Amino acid sequence: GENVEQHPSTLSVQEGDSAVIKCTYSDSASNYFPWYKQELGKRPQLIIDIRSNVGEKKDQRIAVTLNKTAKHFSLHITETQPEDSAVYFCAASISNDYKLSFGAGTTVTVRA
Amino acid sequence: GAVVSQHPSWVICKSGTSVKIECRSLDFQATTMFWYRQFPKQSLMLMATSNEGSKATYEQGVEKDKFLINHASLTLSTLTVTSAHPEDSSFYICSARVEGLRVFGPGTRLTVL
Repeated sequence: GENVEQHPSTLSVQEGDSAVIKCTYSDSASNYFPWYKQELGKRPQLIIDIRSNVGEKKDQRIAVTLNKTAKHFSLHITETQPEDSAVYFCAASISNDYKLSFGAGTTVTVRA
Repeated sequence: GAVVSQHPSWVICKSGTSVKIECRSLDFQATTMFWYRQFPKQSLMLMATSNEGSKATYEQGVEKDKFLINHASLTLSTLTVTSAHPEDSSFYICSARVEGLRVFGPGTRLTVL
């Protein structure tokens, strides 16, 4: 099955700096890559996703890049704010309809 | 937008008892729902995929006789943890597919004493 690895496990950044989280996946058939933000005790919230026919996608301060050849994708958060502090999960799926495999998560702390 | 609810939001039970968790799609029909378990400071681990009107598909290592899943209607899937033990204490989250996206329920915190 699909195996998703995520790094780093923790990330501390100064407010205003950028944060980058990287994920790799094993199944070359995967073509849907969402990113979720989860606050303590809450449900995961989709923040951005990318499909394999696109190399990069941006939504305001958040961007995701995908390298299908290398089987890795990354989340970039610019101009970080304290409210960006949370656990972020990457995930991969072979289609919109199939089960998601999640990375281990990255705890992001934005220092004021 | 599409909303998934879960009930209860938290439950405390004694070891050996069974607990039922409900997952409902409030404004859409969900033919497929996914059940996840999340231990503290860990990732979401898929337990099973439930399909309306058919048997659930369990992930490797998940005991189907212990975690009973029923998806009897297009808006309701239930997970029953039978003979719960302290090691079953976890955060259980359901998720449904809608328009190519995944919508997650708010989760159920299960504590087994």
